[in-house]
Amino acid sequence: DTGVSQDPRHKITKRGQNVTFRCDPISEHNRLYWYRQTLGQGPEFLTYFQNEAQLEKSRLLSDRFSAERPKGSFSTLEIQRTEQGDSAMYLCASSPLYEQFFGPGTRLTVL
Amino acid sequence: QKEVEQNSGPLSVPEGAIASLNCTYSDRGSQSFFWYRQYSGKSPELIMFIYSNGDKEDGRFTAQLNKASQYVSLLIRDSQPSDSATYLCAVRAFGNEKLTFGTGTRLTIIP
Repeated sequence: DTGVSQDPRHKITKRGQNVTFRCDPISEHNRLYWYRQTLGQGPEFLTYFQNEAQLEKSRLLSDRFSAERPKGSFSTLEIQRTEQGDSAMYLCASSPLYEQFFGPGTRLTVL
Repeated sequence: QKEVEQNSGPLSVPEGAIASLNCTYSDRGSQSFFWYRQYSGKSPELIMFIYSNGDKEDGRFTAQLNKASQYVSLLIRDSQPSDSATYLCAVRAFGNEKLTFGTGTRLTIIP
């Protein structure tokens, strides 16, 4: 257990529905990252926060995806109008500077 | 050419032997290099990172970096069945916060 928590751990939804995931980083870490991982692939970067500022977004993050980190603490990732291609493990990581420590992930299945 | 390349395996190693995992990267501006272990259905777990040419040892694990050859490796000494997992290589470019992952090498330790 790295100390990074994610909720929910599993989410099954129907195509077209909106979903929201939460990540609670290690409390003293000011850097927070979201990645997506599909079967047989390494994690792919989605977005990065330093404190409450979203400083980088991947091209993978379409308009249907939005992330927030109010007050520089927990973060949420929302996917609107889900598609079957959104099915993946969504991973959150936090970092004090260099090393990134991953939470357990949220596995999303879109039917 | 992929940014980070790993042999997908599977790599089978007898218990007690040395497992050698390799990774090449394409961006010469890459600054730091990370090895993660991922058990099936779980999130990646940081093993170690390296940023200087040469070797870095941590217990049974040794990371080796050769920036001229754009090559990083992970050696696992005295391999144990519990080392059976997928090993992910990740690279961070200078001035960039995101990690770019390879697809991972699946390692099986044979008792």
